[in-house]
Order: sequence, then structure tokens, then C-alpha cells
Amino acid sequence: DAGVTQSPTHLIKTRGQQVTLRCSPKSGHDTVSWYQQALGQGPQFIFQYYEEEERQRGNFPDRFSGHQFPNYSSELNVNALLLGDSALYLCASSLSVAVYGYTFGSGTRLTVV
Amino acid sequence: DAKTTQPPSMDCAEGRAANLPCNHSTISGNEYVYWYRQIHSQGPQYIIHGLKNNETNEMASLIITEDRKSSTLILPHATLRDTAVYYCIVRAGIGGSNYKLTFGKGTLLTVNP
Repeated sequence: DAGVTQSPTHLIKTRGQQVTLRCSPKSGHDTVSWYQQALGQGPQFIFQYYEEEERQRGNFPDRFSGHQFPNYSSELNVNALLLGDSALYLCASSLSVAVYGYTFGSGTRLTVV
Repeated sequence: DAKTTQPPSMDCAEGRAANLPCNHSTISGNEYVYWYRQIHSQGPQYIIHGLKNNETNEMASLIITEDRKSSTLILPHATLRDTAVYYCIVRAGIGGSNYKLTFGKGTLLTVNP
């Protein structure tokens, strides 16, 4: 049973560019969350998608946007990249009605130069 | 979400039990205690969660005090592969409107040979 799959694994972008990161949730999961993890820090919640709608959003600017598709996969888009956006971006999936833990992917390492 | 406090680091000898403490003195009645760990360069991994009863699974045991203001994660026979950052997180269960996981800095557990 495949877990959470994220692509690409690594990415280098130039300041001011736009980037799209992709996530396929664990089979059977219908909810996807995105987190940003800077070096040496714990993951920070960006937003969560359920039923193709943004259900909750963390303290991130509008440059960060997302989408969830009918097959529950999701994309994270970041516009006008800043050097400070360099981080590990993690996707987590879950069942919306469960209190069980989230399943995380291995992340996409984004470097902005 | 209730705030959690964990020691920044702990050491444990291989084969011995690792006991990781967490304080969550402001926890509410409907909030669960979750534990995750993050091995270097990987996404966080769900370990266990509980509301007020002690819980055990194949990975660990969770002991929650009667007043629910603190908890201890127990790895009964630590191995070198258990070296990781361990996060204690408090979050509401079903019926809540806060879906995010709020990560602190966690406890770096180093298992020594």
C-alpha cells in the first residue's frame, strides 16, 4: 500500500519565480494538508484541503495557494518566490472523519537562489 | 491548541527503555495527545495518540497522567533506528474545527550503542 507520494523530491528555483509541488495521498485518504519546515524548526501548517476546498489555513501569505483534485491529490503553488521560502515542504494525508494520525510524505526540498 | 513543553534533547542506551516527557498543562477536555517522530531527512511519522487512558501499540506506549496535564512516551527497547526528533502535539478530535498539527521543536532522542 503506497503511502503519501510527493514530487519532485528536490527543486531549485530563482527568486521571483513560481513553483508547483504535487502530492498523492495515501490510498483511502480524502484530506490533504501542507506544511513548511525550515531548517532546524518543526513543520508549520500552511493549509488543509477537503472535498476540493481549503478547509483551514495557517499564517501564510496569499502567495501560497493550493488545489485538490477529485482523486484527492493536491498541489501547492507558491508565487513570487523569496529566499525565505527555501524549506522542506511536507504533504500529509488523513481521513477526514478519523482522529487517527496523519501520514506524511518525505517532502520536497525547495531551494530558492 | 494547548501548548506543549518538551526537553530539547535526551540520550538513551541501546536496548534500554526511552521515556520522553511532555507537559500540556492547558489541555482541554476534548483534546488528544499525539506523538510523532521525524528521522533525519524524512517526513514526520505518527507513533501513537490518546485521550485519557494509557495506550500501547507495536511502536510505543503512551502514559497520560490522571489530570491529563502531562504524558510520557515510552519506547520499551530503544534501537539506533529510534534516533529522531520526537514531537508531542495536542489537538482536538472529531467535532473540532482545528485540523492542523502545531509542532514545537520537539525532543531530539539520541540512542547510543
